[in-house]
Amino acid sequence: SQQGEEDPQALSIQEGENATMNCSYKTSINNLQWYRQNSGRGLVHLILIRSNEREKHSGRLRVTLDTSKKSSSLLITASRAADTASYFCATVRNSGGSNYKLTFGKGTLLTVNP
Amino acid sequence: GAGVSQSPRYKVAKRGQDVALRCDPISGHVSLFWYQQALGQGPEFLTYFQNEAQLDKSGLPSDRFFAERPEGSVSTLKIQRTQQEDSAVYLCASSPYSGAARNSPLHFGNGTRLTVT
Repeated sequence: SQQGEEDPQALSIQEGENATMNCSYKTSINNLQWYRQNSGRGLVHLILIRSNEREKHSGRLRVTLDTSKKSSSLLITASRAADTASYFCATVRNSGGSNYKLTFGKGTLLTVNP
Repeated sequence: GAGVSQSPRYKVAKRGQDVALRCDPISGHVSLFWYQQALGQGPEFLTYFQNEAQLDKSGLPSDRFFAERPEGSVSTLKIQRTQQEDSAVYLCASSPYSGAARNSPLHFGNGTRLTVT
């Protein structure tokens, strides 16, 4: 079962525009991570935000977390054609003992047109 | 340095055949995960190893799925008597930390695309 739900499912923008993707989840979390996946490849970690953090920046990426609403957003500023990929949010919650699970949403397919 | 390596990259199996998918994690990584990704979906958790111990196999869809990591490094995911619904990309990921260090990202391989005909 998938914990997160990304919104929108697909997003098409022009190069230079900003792209915003949202993620909602259902249970309490330890942290939330965003990953990127190019077609036919594995996932690449972008940014991690802990449950006690509200906002985090990394280069052109800005992530927010609202634990009261159980939601997160990923903003990519000044998008480039090379940003075209699927973006997934993933939540980490304590599943007991010394293990943990990273649970992914269904993803947002971002297309940046040159 | 080398990343997570998975082989084969592509596998076509006839229904009923057994398959074995290999994952070479980053050297020294303690944690290893297997995920299944259907077309157009996010990855779904299958199983988790901490060194050689399989601590969580709750995501394995049936007893036809079996994973091992006997020496705490390379892992193999085996699917017996493959069915068409097993067609998916199987992703392996590793982390240098045990599950107790939850605030760490996973390093993913490029996956094995399994097609069952």
